[in-house]
Parts: sequence; C-alpha cells; structure tokens
Amino acid sequence: GNSVTQMEGPVTLSEEAFLTINCTYTATGYPSLFWYVQYPGEGLQLLLKATKADDKGSNKGFEATYRKETTSFHLEKGSVQVSDSAVYFCALINAGNNRKLIWGLGTSLAVNP
Amino acid sequence: EAGVTQFPSHSVIEKGQTVTLRCDPISGHDNLYWYRRVMGKEIKFLLHFVKESKQDESGMPNNRFLAERTGGTYSTLKVQPAELEDSGVYFCASNQQGAGEQYFGPGTRLTVT
Repeated sequence: GNSVTQMEGPVTLSEEAFLTINCTYTATGYPSLFWYVQYPGEGLQLLLKATKADDKGSNKGFEATYRKETTSFHLEKGSVQVSDSAVYFCALINAGNNRKLIWGLGTSLAVNP
Repeated sequence: EAGVTQFPSHSVIEKGQTVTLRCDPISGHDNLYWYRRVMGKEIKFLLHFVKESKQDESGMPNNRFLAERTGGTYSTLKVQPAELEDSGVYFCASNQQGAGEQYFGPGTRLTVT
C-alpha cells in the first residue's frame, strides 16, 4: 500500500541553522509529493509540492526534490528563522487513490532566537 | 476570498453524546475532504465528496460516523454516539475538480471524556 515515513521530532534548532526533515514514501505508480505546514493556531497550508521525478519544489526558502531512486522527498532550508517554528507534514497523492492525501506523522520544529 | 471554515473550533463532550462538526469549503470547490488526526498518529483520510455525492468513504472508521453534504455546499460530520477514541483534530479541505492542492480549514479539536 501507500505510506509516508517522516523523521520524528521534535526538532529544536537555533536561528540561522540548517534544517533537514527526512521523508520517504512507498507508493504504487507515480505519486505527487507535498509538504504541508501548520503554524501554531492555524490550519494546514501547502508549503511546496513536486509532481514528477527530479522536480524540485520550493517556497519561502524551503526546498525538496522528488527522488524516485531513493523514494524520498526531504525538506531543507539553509537558514531557519524563529517564524519557521511549526509542524511540518510530508504527504503524497497517488492517482489511484482517488485524490486522498496519505500523510506522514508530522515533525514539530522549534527555532530559538 | 474566504478560506475553508470549520465550526466549532473545539468541542468537549462526554462519551455517548452526539456531536456535529461543520465545514464550509471555498465557494465553487466541488471537492470536499474530511481528515482526522488522532494524537500521536498520522493524519488519516476519512472521506471525499464531489458536490453532494460521496466519492470515497473508505476511511470512515465505523457506522457511528455520518457525513453529509446536502446541496453540494457545506458538509457536516456527525459522531453518534461518541467514544473516547474519537478524540482528535478533524480537518476539512476543499479544491476544484482536477486541482492538486487541497485547501484546509483550521480544524475542529474534539475531546471525548
């Protein structure tokens, strides 16, 4: 079946540190991959996405590259800010799954000044 | 343009009681999805409406859950009778036909005591 494995948190970093949150997936076919973010007190927001192998999604300084050979979609940011403190979710949609999102557990990130 | 809204934001009920959650999607979005996140676990798909029709309800846990979308606008999710394991955050999302990104509401936190 389809699944997403995401590194567990919480992750605590100092401002301007480098961030990596690992995400690997199992899917039949060719899924689209997503990173969603939930800031404190808010709903889930799409952060970035990639729809085919080798695509790189990017937004707000965050990047993730769709790696089919390693079935991964790791989230990276070169220099985190306090405002990046949130919960980050990796997810996929497989065309055969009728458009439902399959989610990772979520990784809580706290950035200290 | 208003985003996806959910009501209430938080509900605390006793085991055996009934609760109804409401979701108002973005105007014009035919697709409406319900998801749930139980504490410590990943977000799970519950069901998917296309207009007023249930496209996929494979994630509904059991027959204590009833979802409706009369008229293809807002949706309700009723839990009757509620059990302790129903506690969690219920998210609603919507998008247009053929769209990849799903737009999420802030969620309803349900606590069953």
